[in-house]
Amino acid sequence: AQSVTQPDIHITVSEGASLELRCNYSYGATPYLFWYVQSPGQGLQLLLKYFSGDTLVQGIKGFEAEFKRSQSSFNLRKPSVHWSDAAEYFCAVGQGTGTASKLTFGTGTRLQVTL
Amino acid sequence: IAGITQAPTSQILAAGRRMTLRCTQDMRHNAMYWYRQDLGLGLRLIHYSNTAGTTGKGEVPDGYSVSRANTDDFPLTLASAVPSQTSVYFCASSKERGSYEQFFGPGTRLTVL
Repeated sequence: AQSVTQPDIHITVSEGASLELRCNYSYGATPYLFWYVQSPGQGLQLLLKYFSGDTLVQGIKGFEAEFKRSQSSFNLRKPSVHWSDAAEYFCAVGQGTGTASKLTFGTGTRLQVTL
Repeated sequence: IAGITQAPTSQILAAGRRMTLRCTQDMRHNAMYWYRQDLGLGLRLIHYSNTAGTTGKGEVPDGYSVSRANTDDFPLTLASAVPSQTSVYFCASSKERGSYEQFFGPGTRLTVL
């Protein structure tokens, strides 16, 4: 069965500093990979996705993620964090197609940004 | 365009009571989902619907039921609430099952005492 691990429960960075949130997945075939962000009191919003092709994908709000098959990782990065990036971030892996598809979420990483 | 709306925003409920969480989308998406979010567990799928008139069980369906009478609405019912159902519930939709880009509602915070 597929699974997603986000090793960091909570990360604190200073505004303007770079950010990397870790995500590791377990899945036999080529995965579909996603990062979602949840701002306080809000639902989840899709940041970016990887289906195939270029392993470095760009998303909204200046985020990017790199798929590394050899490491089973899909880490999220941002060169310079803004205070408004404080939120919870979820990595997710998709399996299958059509009505048999399943999306599995990690447990999330809470990002705190200090001024 | 509202996207997905959920009601109520929050609710405190006595154990044993029946409760229906409402979810409405205006994007004409075929697929809809109900998740619960618990600290340390992430989001877990309760039930889903691939299209109006069909529903299916997710990862944690026990104690919950859903219906999909039309495209827009996907209510979640707790027939007899228990304290372990205290959680934040999110409704989501996607254009098709398997399109993976899911759009989420703002959530309902439910406390069962």
